[in-house]
Amino acid sequence: KQEVTQIPAALSVPEGENLVLNCSFTDSAIYNLQWFRQDPGKGLTSLLLIQSSQREQTSGRLNASLDKSSGRSTLYIAASQPGDSATYLCAVRIISNFGNEKLTFGTGTRLTIIP
Amino acid sequence: NAGVTQTPKFRVLKTGQSMTLLCAQDMNHEYMYWYRQDPGMGLRLIHYSVGEGTTAKGEVPDGYNVSRLKKQNFLLGLESAAPSQTSVYFCASSYGVGAYMTDTQYFGPGTRLTVL
Repeated sequence: KQEVTQIPAALSVPEGENLVLNCSFTDSAIYNLQWFRQDPGKGLTSLLLIQSSQREQTSGRLNASLDKSSGRSTLYIAASQPGDSATYLCAVRIISNFGNEKLTFGTGTRLTIIP
Repeated sequence: NAGVTQTPKFRVLKTGQSMTLLCAQDMNHEYMYWYRQDPGMGLRLIHYSVGEGTTAKGEVPDGYNVSRLKKQNFLLGLESAAPSQTSVYFCASSYGVGAYMTDTQYFGPGTRLTVL
């Protein structure tokens, strides 16, 4: 059974710092991995999607990497801003031999950027 | 475009009551999903649909039913609500390119349901 872990559960950093959020998964046979952002009381917003054949994806100040063999992904945020404060979730997608698809979410890291 | 919308935003039910949550998307997506989010457990897939008229079970389908009569709408029903169904419910949709649901999912704002 695929398990997705995000440590730490909460993180506070001063504005302007670069930071890394971690995501680990137990089954390396993933199809892709996605990072989401969730603001309090709101839905999820997709940030980056990395296919299993890719090593990283970049969007603006965000860079996500994927190491399938070690079961890890990181989300790097450069020059953090107070507006980056949110909960960040990673999700991995696996597809079974029978064609069944499953998206498994981590429980998230709650990020607070201190002005 | 409104994206993915959900109604209602909040609801309180008594045990045994029934209700239907409505999800609507205006992006012409083929695939739609219902998740529930509980503290410390992450999002879990309840049911999903790969096209109009189709539905399939997810990870935690018991106690829920769904229907996809129109491409843009995906309904989640609770026939006899239980306190264990207290949760935040999210709907999502995606294009579903190819044989698998490989692309980005777009989420609605959520429905906060409390069952007393």
